[in-house]
Amino acid sequence: SAVISQKPSRDICQRGTSLTIQCQVDSQVTMMFWYRQQPGQSLTLIATANQGSEATYESGFVIDKFPISRPNLTFSTLTVSNMSPEDSSIYLCSVEVRSATLLDGYTFGSGTRLTVV
Amino acid sequence: TQLLEQSPQFLSIQEGENLTVYCNSSSVFSSLQWYRQEPGEGPVLLVTVVTGGEVKKLKRLTFQFGDARKDSSLHITAAQTGDTGLYLCAGARLGGYGKLTFGQGTILTVHP
Repeated sequence: SAVISQKPSRDICQRGTSLTIQCQVDSQVTMMFWYRQQPGQSLTLIATANQGSEATYESGFVIDKFPISRPNLTFSTLTVSNMSPEDSSIYLCSVEVRSATLLDGYTFGSGTRLTVV
Repeated sequence: TQLLEQSPQFLSIQEGENLTVYCNSSSVFSSLQWYRQEPGEGPVLLVTVVTGGEVKKLKRLTFQFGDARKDSSLHITAAQTGDTGLYLCAGARLGGYGKLTFGQGTILTVHP
């Protein structure tokens, strides 16, 4: 299965600033997914990023707040813009794991723990 | 909106005990996955169940998918301290290619 390198692993940021999170995959993938997670809790999908097209955002998430880039089939970035303390969370990227045409599951990056002060 | 109700939210047991975690929904999923997550790491896939009524075993872990593909359970036999972690179920939505709906998670603590 694919291996994802996600960085930074953690950051403490001032409110009003922006942070860009990067995910590098060791193989080409069609879709990459960005999630948000409060520690010890469930994951919420922010958006789906396809190479060559605009990301598709889930309800409650907008492009101005969470712009996403997908310049090629192995890389994506998520920016958290104009941060407030409510944006403090863990952000994770994810890609599919497939055997032939079957979807086995998803591989996740190790996450970025963001604290906004 | 497809929701997955996962229970219990917290589980604290002694080493050697058995436990079961449940995920229930009123919606049908094309498949259901179970993940385990440790602090500072992303979720790691344990198993995917696809067929209604399917049972999969992974050493001391047994996973079951309901006949109607609306619910699933994870049973751990003779828990070990290394089983401690956050367990998440996630359903793949029908017609929602690539999108997962996650349960609320179960924080399992196994005491020596």
